Amino acid sequence: EAGVAQSPRYKIIEKRQSVAFWCNPISGHATLYWYQQILGQGPKLLIQFQNNGVVDDSQLPKDRFSAERLKGVDSTLKIQPAKLEDSAVYLCASSLGGDRGKTQYFGPGTRLLVL
Amino acid sequence: AQTVTQSQPEMSVQEAETVTLSCTYDTSESDYYLFWYKQPPSRQMILVIRQEAYKQQNATENRFSVNFQKAAKSFSLKISDSQLGDAAMYFCAYRLYSGGSNYKLTFGKGTLLTVNP
Repeated sequence: EAGVAQSPRYKIIEKRQSVAFWCNPISGHATLYWYQQILGQGPKLLIQFQNNGVVDDSQLPKDRFSAERLKGVDSTLKIQPAKLEDSAVYLCASSLGGDRGKTQYFGPGTRLLVL
Repeated sequence: AQTVTQSQPEMSVQEAETVTLSCTYDTSESDYYLFWYKQPPSRQMILVIRQEAYKQQNATENRFSVNFQKAAKSFSLKISDSQLGDAAMYFCAYRLYSGGSNYKLTFGKGTLLTVNP
């Protein structure tokens, strides 16, 4: 079974530029999560999708971050414009829908450096 | 709001020895899951073990076991017969058992485990 795929693996940009990350969840997983992991901290949820609907985006800085999950499969996370404090690893995870989705499976992450 | 605290930023263990990583959490809920995830230097987060709060029996997975103390809100991970491949950052995480449709994980800050040969 293929795992959660993410691309790119690394990205370096200048502040005020824009960047986009892509995630392909495990086949059949209805729930998709984007987490931000700043160096030295645990991951923090940015947004959760159930199929193509948003369940929780309370921690998403909506003035600069946006995310979508078209057709309930792949998802993209965009930052525009980027700030220095956005330097982090962005992790995508997926799980089965509902209470069956006890376990979240994580992708390898995208490491973003904003200069 | 739920919080997860890992009080040991770093731990080390000799190969083949046993080590225990600590985790405490704060919640007003009675039904929830607790997890230990491992994150090696390659950054892929991998599930180590899961505990359902309604189960009194401590979860075990091969060399990994937990000591779940619900009243004390404590959830420690014991690694027996430590191997070099166990070296990683370990995260303790919490999730509501049934949060409507919100299943977000709340993570601690992690414990960096070093295994010495």
